[in-house]
Amino acid sequence: DIVMTQSPDSLAVSLGERATVNCKSSQSVLSSSSNKNYLAWYQQKPGQPPKLLIYWASTRESGVPDRFSGSGSGTDFTLTISSLQTEDVAVYYCQQHLSFPYTFGQGTNLEIK
Amino acid sequence: QVQLQESGPGLVKPSETLSLTCTVSGGSIISYYWSWFRQPPGKGLEWIGYIHYTGRTNYNPSLKSRVTVSVDTPKNQFSLKLSSVTTADTAVYYCARLNDHGWGDIWGQGTMVTVSS
Repeated sequence: DIVMTQSPDSLAVSLGERATVNCKSSQSVLSSSSNKNYLAWYQQKPGQPPKLLIYWASTRESGVPDRFSGSGSGTDFTLTISSLQTEDVAVYYCQQHLSFPYTFGQGTNLEIK
Repeated sequence: QVQLQESGPGLVKPSETLSLTCTVSGGSIISYYWSWFRQPPGKGLEWIGYIHYTGRTNYNPSLKSRVTVSVDTPKNQFSLKLSSVTTADTAVYYCARLNDHGWGDIWGQGTMVTVSS
């Protein structure tokens, strides 16, 4: 199985400041055939299901604010929120969907400082 | 817009079979892959398995011996059966639509299943 490890486990950022969440995979999730990174990011608020934010490591899902961005390739990825808003308080998960079983990081809990 | 809704018992006894159904509304179950995930209280997400409307399945090896996912296209539903449950199977169970490449773009609200005698 591909192990996904996120850092930090929790993060407190001031409103309007930048928040950065990291995700590292135990094997590359870059497909040699498509040259795409099979890495997605989700946001989960308390009592709600996960919400897809980003796929292909850097493509925003329709309707996701442009303050959310994803970057990285191979085994190291980053989710960045450029200017933190109150509604961004949530747990963020990365997921690899290159190989079975699909696996998630342990989650990063983002709070307001 | 497409919506998913899980249904089924919220309490299952140890050693019995957990059965859940996901009803797809606002769109057809034909096309796409349809998946189950779960999240133990206070913990992270685990992929259980998926089914294509054609009936093709893929399961997490950690659960494969106990899992069956099936689809009922006329009813626009798909289902999960997890046998021989233990307290470790207590979790919120989510159904979701997977696009062709494996990310979940639409999720149900989730249903809490507790395994207890």
